[in-house]
Amino acid sequence: DAKTTQPPSMDCAEGRAANLPCNHSTISGNEYVYWYRQIHSQGPQYIIHGLKNNETNEMASLIITEDRKSSTLILPHATLRDTAVYYCIVREYYGQNFVFGPGTRLSVLP
Amino acid sequence: SQTIHQWPATLVQPVGSPLSLECTVEGTSNPNLYWYRQAAGRGLQLLFYSVGIGQISSEVPQNLSASRPQDRQFILSSKKLLLSDSGFYLCAWSEMGGNQPQHFGDGTRLSIL
Repeated sequence: DAKTTQPPSMDCAEGRAANLPCNHSTISGNEYVYWYRQIHSQGPQYIIHGLKNNETNEMASLIITEDRKSSTLILPHATLRDTAVYYCIVREYYGQNFVFGPGTRLSVLP
Repeated sequence: SQTIHQWPATLVQPVGSPLSLECTVEGTSNPNLYWYRQAAGRGLQLLFYSVGIGQISSEVPQNLSASRPQDRQFILSSKKLLLSDSGFYLCAWSEMGGNQPQHFGDGTRLSIL
């Protein structure tokens, strides 16, 4: 079972920041938070991951709360091509299995 | 840069026929390799993973098998397909190391008739 909860769907206006929340209240000390997205009929695409510090790359920023019980993925300037299902996953350090829950269906609107 | 290739993209097979799906990775050495299945409307299920040539770990009992004949080649097979084997099969790779993300291929959509 997935260890995370996410809203089932969200809308975002094109050009605005998309802020996708994730709750992982039972996360343990050696578990990382990963974000992926999946566009219909394609394989999941890795976005970003972190342990406790905020992370940023060319795709997005990941903000993890100090108690690590929740996180937010930020797409700074959403485009129509960012429309996808976004998955927040918690996995232990040497875990092999990524457990994908239902995710959040993000619709970027023109 | 690293790339992952899966083929075929789509496949329609009759019940009872054999299966062979191939996955190859380029641009890296000694990757961890994975096979997942995604049933319609459901999450991904890890089927097999491999940390080296000839080393296969199975996560769920089934009539599928996996093999890794070369460092960057991962094959998913079945001797006799069942209707329940229909789904979206995804291959993934990761660097060795505890927190490395997995990178997925574009998948094979398998339909059993």
